[in-house]
Amino acid sequence: SQQGEEDPQALSIQEGENATMNCSYKTSINNLQWYRQNSGRGLVHLILIRSNEREKHSGRLRVTLDTSKKSSSLLITASRAADTASYFCASNNNAGNMLTFGGGTRLMVKP
Amino acid sequence: EPEVTQTPSHQVTQMGQEVILRCVPISNHLYFYWYRQILGQKVEFLVSFYNNEISEKSEIFDDQFSVERPDGSNFTLKIRSTKLEDSAMYFCASTEAAWNTEAFFGQGTRLTVV
Repeated sequence: SQQGEEDPQALSIQEGENATMNCSYKTSINNLQWYRQNSGRGLVHLILIRSNEREKHSGRLRVTLDTSKKSSSLLITASRAADTASYFCASNNNAGNMLTFGGGTRLMVKP
Repeated sequence: EPEVTQTPSHQVTQMGQEVILRCVPISNHLYFYWYRQILGQKVEFLVSFYNNEISEKSEIFDDQFSVERPDGSNFTLKIRSTKLEDSAMYFCASTEAAWNTEAFFGQGTRLTVV
């Protein structure tokens, strides 16, 4: 798989349920970021976790990072229909300041 | 809230024509980027720009691409001779610092080459 692969590729849940998305990467990183994209729109930054951090929270979002497994997860708790979007992880590696994006998870939250 | 703005939102151009995509980054940001997303594919890094110079560029960013900061506010991406495979959403982004900081993305320009 390539740098920054998410799974699942698509996830459909009911409103109120939790949604968990996973991301794997290959090279050493400075940080890993999660972005949200509504259909046909721009990327909205959700959360950044540094390589020396293991867990971070922001509102209903919880991100974990396991550098030994080169993986991260994004948990959205108590999902809402408005959370329906694509979610991307993006790694900032040690070679520079660019972001390497994964393929994304398409989340659908049914009301 | 400050935001990155891009114009136009949608551009249709004939193959072989030159296009210029425009971006206004957040005013106190120093690092600027272009990414592209071909329909149904990953967001791909094209180029980063700092202090009026290209910092990094990907293999995609070949001689047909160029970037410029013509004045204190605009940041442009020029594609000299467009090809059908250049059709994509192009995103501009800016950051306050080079490392460990969130990137703010614009809404994108959808480029369609016919």
